[in-house]
Amino acid sequence: DGGITQSPKYLFRKEGQNVTLSCEQNLNHDAMYWYRQDPGQGLRLIYYSQIVNDFQKGDIAEGYSVSREKKESFPLTVTSAQKNPTAFYLCASSIRGDGFTEAFFGQGTRLTVV
Amino acid sequence: SQQGEEDPQALSIQEGENATMNCSYKTSINNLQWYRQNSGRGLVHLILIRSNEREKHSGRLRVTLDTSKKSSSLLITASRAADTASYFCATDEYGNKLVFGAGTILRVKS
Repeated sequence: DGGITQSPKYLFRKEGQNVTLSCEQNLNHDAMYWYRQDPGQGLRLIYYSQIVNDFQKGDIAEGYSVSREKKESFPLTVTSAQKNPTAFYLCASSIRGDGFTEAFFGQGTRLTVV
Repeated sequence: SQQGEEDPQALSIQEGENATMNCSYKTSINNLQWYRQNSGRGLVHLILIRSNEREKHSGRLRVTLDTSKKSSSLLITASRAADTASYFCATDEYGNKLVFGAGTILRVKS
C-alpha cells in the first residue's frame, strides 16, 4: 500500500533535548512538507522540500531543522532552541505539476515537553 | 502567513441539514483545495478547484470559487453525524507551497 508514515505517534521530550520526528513516503512524490498544529488551530508551515537535497523555510522555521537526503524521507528535528515545541506535527507529500496536486498526510506525531 | 481564512470558526447543525463553510485568501493562486481532519488524525483531501473553474461537485460536496473576491465556499448537503470534523481550505501559493487556513469545526448532531 502506498502512503506516508510518521513515527512515533507520541513523543515526550525533556527540556533542552533535541528530538527527531520521522516521515517516510512511498508515493514517489517530489514535494514534502512539515506542519505544526496547535490545539484548535490551523496548520502552520515549518519547512518544505520540492526536491531531494533542497528545502525551504516556512513561516515558523526557527528552532527546527530538516534534511532531504532521499526522496522518500524528510525527517524533522525539533531543537532545544524551539521554546514551545509541544504540538501536533503533520508531515505531507504531494506531486508538483501544474500547481500542487492533493497532499497526502501522515497520521501525525504528538510531541509533549515534560 | 495564513493564506486561507475560514469562517465560521465553528458550526453546529442537525443531521440532514446542509453545512456551508467559507474561505478567503489574499494572493493569486493556482488552485484551492479543501481538506477534512478527524480529531487527532491527519488531513484527508476532499476536493480541488482550479483558478479557472467556478464550481465543482463531488458526491455531497459542492465547492465554488470566486477569484475576483478571493473566496471559496464548501457546501456539504444532507449532512451526517460522520461528517463531524474540522475542515480546512488550502491554497497553492505560486506553485511553491500549500498554505492552510485556521479551519472550521463542524459538528453534526444526530
